[in-house]
Amino acid sequence: DQQVKQNSPSLSVQEGRISILNCDYTNSMFDYFLWYKKYPAEGPTFLISISSIKDKNEDGRFTVFLNKSAKHLSLHIVPSQPGDSAVYFCAAYNAGNMLTFGGGTRLMVKP
Amino acid sequence: EAGVAQSPRYKIIEKRQSVAFWCNPISGHATLYWYQQILGQGPKLLIQFQNNGVVDDSQLPKDRFSAERLKGVDSTLKIQPAKLEDSAVYLCASSLDYGELGEQFFGPGTRLTVL
Repeated sequence: DQQVKQNSPSLSVQEGRISILNCDYTNSMFDYFLWYKKYPAEGPTFLISISSIKDKNEDGRFTVFLNKSAKHLSLHIVPSQPGDSAVYFCAAYNAGNMLTFGGGTRLMVKP
Repeated sequence: EAGVAQSPRYKIIEKRQSVAFWCNPISGHATLYWYQQILGQGPKLLIQFQNNGVVDDSQLPKDRFSAERLKGVDSTLKIQPAKLEDSAVYLCASSLDYGELGEQFFGPGTRLTVL
């Protein structure tokens, strides 16, 4: 039972344009969401997070949007840079403090 | 600040053999996690420690997997005997304290191949 889903396994974007990565969840008990970025042969690194009491959080080029009624969140990267090419994971905490990850989306930013 | 250390980085074994992975979390981090990441999937939590006590091991296949965290610092994850489907990257992560809904810091992982 996948409680966190990233339905797009890959995304290709031109440098300078916006990248939008999407994530859907089914568990209404999730109350804190995170995005992680992963390069090959490295562990995931934290990118940005959002609490369920907010609908937007911004950090430089990265913005996460949360739509609780739709159980959907998205990560916007503007402008996209070649160094942003990586696998992005959406993750969610439930009340048991267990982090559940989505399957990941591979982002390729073309120069 | 040193990150989460893991060893070995790569391991190849035959099925039915045993293997052990080691993790040293960030200094001062009370909570330690082991994840299994199968190719093409997201990390899946296997076990979570708070200091040297187990908080959650509901997804650990206890018939073959075991983990310990001696003295609340380093941790080892063991598989005995290994199966083909155990081929994955095993990630260790740590965070400052249990109950904090914040960032977990990940190590580079150990890539296990079971032949």
